[in-house]
Amino acid sequence: KAGVTQTPRYLIKTRGQQVTLSCSPISGHRSVSWYQQTPGQGLQFLFEYFSETQRNKGNFPGRFSGRQFSNSRSEMNVSTLELGDSALYLCASSLITAGYQETQYFGPGTRLLVL
Amino acid sequence: SQQGEEDPQALSIQEGENATMNCSYKTSINNLQWYRQNSGRGLVHLILIRSNEREKHSGRLRVTLDTSKKSSSLLITASRAADTASYFCATENTGTASKLTFGTGTRLQVTL
Repeated sequence: KAGVTQTPRYLIKTRGQQVTLSCSPISGHRSVSWYQQTPGQGLQFLFEYFSETQRNKGNFPGRFSGRQFSNSRSEMNVSTLELGDSALYLCASSLITAGYQETQYFGPGTRLLVL
Repeated sequence: SQQGEEDPQALSIQEGENATMNCSYKTSINNLQWYRQNSGRGLVHLILIRSNEREKHSGRLRVTLDTSKKSSSLLITASRAADTASYFCATENTGTASKLTFGTGTRLQVTL
């Protein structure tokens, strides 16, 4: 099975712009989660989607949003970019069995640099 | 915010030695997972241990979980240079299924 894929892998934007990142989960996985990794804050949960519905949201401002499509692919959007949004954005997919979260498998990440 | 701390923050050992990393967390959990990350790339899943398990093995990896102390340890035996990476523990906390809360990570350096 192909792993989790994320596009683009690298991105450079300027302050005030917006950005959309894409994630394709492992085939059959319906749960997709997004995380932000920075040197200062470490790995932080952004949100999780399951069957096109946001089930969980982390403590991030409303500039961060996401969605999931019927084929389980997910996008996240960051509007009005700030310098502090520079980070590695990681997507993870997983199975949900009997109501339990199974292992989350991560993609290679999108490295965003905001200038 | 992060769940807890990992100890040590950095560890340097020689090839063939064992490496032990510890993780502490703050709330009750459904499971705890360990991940490896090479040079700021994606996370590679190593092992998952559920809250009702005390020990788990996978190849050269041994994970223990003590829910009474809210702590876990990862032991890598007979380390190799290829094990050089950052290691993170992550908890799925009770009542927040599907959200992983990560520790601060341990940077492991294995030298020849």
